[in-house]
Amino acid sequence: GAVVSQHPSRVICKSGTSVKIECRSLDFQATTMFWYRQFPKQSLMLMATSNEGSKATYEQGVEKDKFLINHASLTLSTLTVTSAHPEDSSFYICSAREWGGTTEAFFGQGTRLTVV
Amino acid sequence: KNEVEQSPQNLTAQEGEFITINCSYSVGISALHWLQQHPGGGIVSLFMLSSGKKKHGRLIATINIQEKHSSLHITASHPRDSAVYICAVRYRGGADGLTFGKGTHLIIQP
Repeated sequence: GAVVSQHPSRVICKSGTSVKIECRSLDFQATTMFWYRQFPKQSLMLMATSNEGSKATYEQGVEKDKFLINHASLTLSTLTVTSAHPEDSSFYICSAREWGGTTEAFFGQGTRLTVV
Repeated sequence: KNEVEQSPQNLTAQEGEFITINCSYSVGISALHWLQQHPGGGIVSLFMLSSGKKKHGRLIATINIQEKHSSLHITASHPRDSAVYICAVRYRGGADGLTFGKGTHLIIQP
């Protein structure tokens, strides 16, 4: 089946620094990638929808200047958490939709971000 | 507000038991997913349904569109089935991404 690789799986950073998370579709072209965030004991929540070659669409309450999303190619989307704060500590996960596909079921492994 | 409700939130059972996890949603959907999340956080897609029933190994997923309800069944449960099972839907005409339930934390004891 289709594989989505997300890197890094875990990262610890200091407050004020930026962290980049990569999401790659390894064996298919992903025109759309989704970024989700999950706080402890909470549901996964959609942060933004990333379309190749265009600006991401952010969900209400998600700061686009803080969570920078770049989808420069059909196989790579990145999420950069800028000026990280302890409240940004969370589990971030991406998923990818295959070009021409109708489902969104290919998830990355997730990234556990801890800001200290 | 479009919500996805799952029950039970937590379930502990003995190895071999038949497991049922339920999911209900509030408005029309184009697809419903059942996902499995292991302690490390990684998510595996188990099923995508828009109608009827699907079976894969010991897992069975059903959906009733009229009742806005889906169930995930595990037959002959095994300790390796222990995980969080998440129901997620894509609402018809809504946001492009998925809306997730809070998950069911399943523990199968040997």
